[in-house]
Amino acid sequence: KAGVTQTPRYLIKTRGQQVTLSCSPISGHRSVSWYQQTPGQGLQFLFEYFSETQRNKGNFPGRFSGRQFSNSRSEMNVSTLELGDSALYLCASSLGPRGAMNTEAFFGQGTRLTVV
Amino acid sequence: AQKITQTQPGMFVQEKEAVTLDCTYDTSDPSYGLFWYKQPSSGEMIFLIYQGSYDQQNATEGRYSLNFQKARKSANLVISASQLGDSAMYFCAMRVWSGNQFYFGTGTSLTVIP
Repeated sequence: KAGVTQTPRYLIKTRGQQVTLSCSPISGHRSVSWYQQTPGQGLQFLFEYFSETQRNKGNFPGRFSGRQFSNSRSEMNVSTLELGDSALYLCASSLGPRGAMNTEAFFGQGTRLTVV
Repeated sequence: AQKITQTQPGMFVQEKEAVTLDCTYDTSDPSYGLFWYKQPSSGEMIFLIYQGSYDQQNATEGRYSLNFQKARKSANLVISASQLGDSAMYFCAMRVWSGNQFYFGTGTSLTVIP
């Protein structure tokens, strides 16, 4: 079956602009979570969606937002980009919202965002 | 609070040798899962192996095995017969069953030497 698809793979944006990233989970997976990876901070949780509802949110400013559609595809949006938002953004696909259901979790290839 | 600790920033191993990557965790939740992921330079996080907190036996997936010592709160990854393609970053991660968020360690960079 197809894996987790993230688009685009690479992005270059200017400070102050906004950006939208997309994640299509594995077929049948209804939970999507997003992570930011930087050399300094490592992997940090952004938020998680299940059934079009945000279930959990990490410690990021309100400039970071997301949503999930009825087909489980998810988007995350970053407004008013800052240089520090340059990172690899990864999404993870799981069956459902609770860990007991999720003995597998698959990540996409990520979107590498560069803010100049 | 949940925490994952990986104390080996970098490791070297000779091709065809076995290597152990260390991971310790901390949680007060009795139900959790432990995962190992491989991240090559391309960026994709590749799922390797999973161990549930109630699993009696250590997990194995091909050349990967997880040495789970619950009392010590450790979940070390053992890679047998290392190959050049194993060179990558390796991340230990945990999920507690009350939620779905991953807690990641800082990773170990593994280099396989021919």
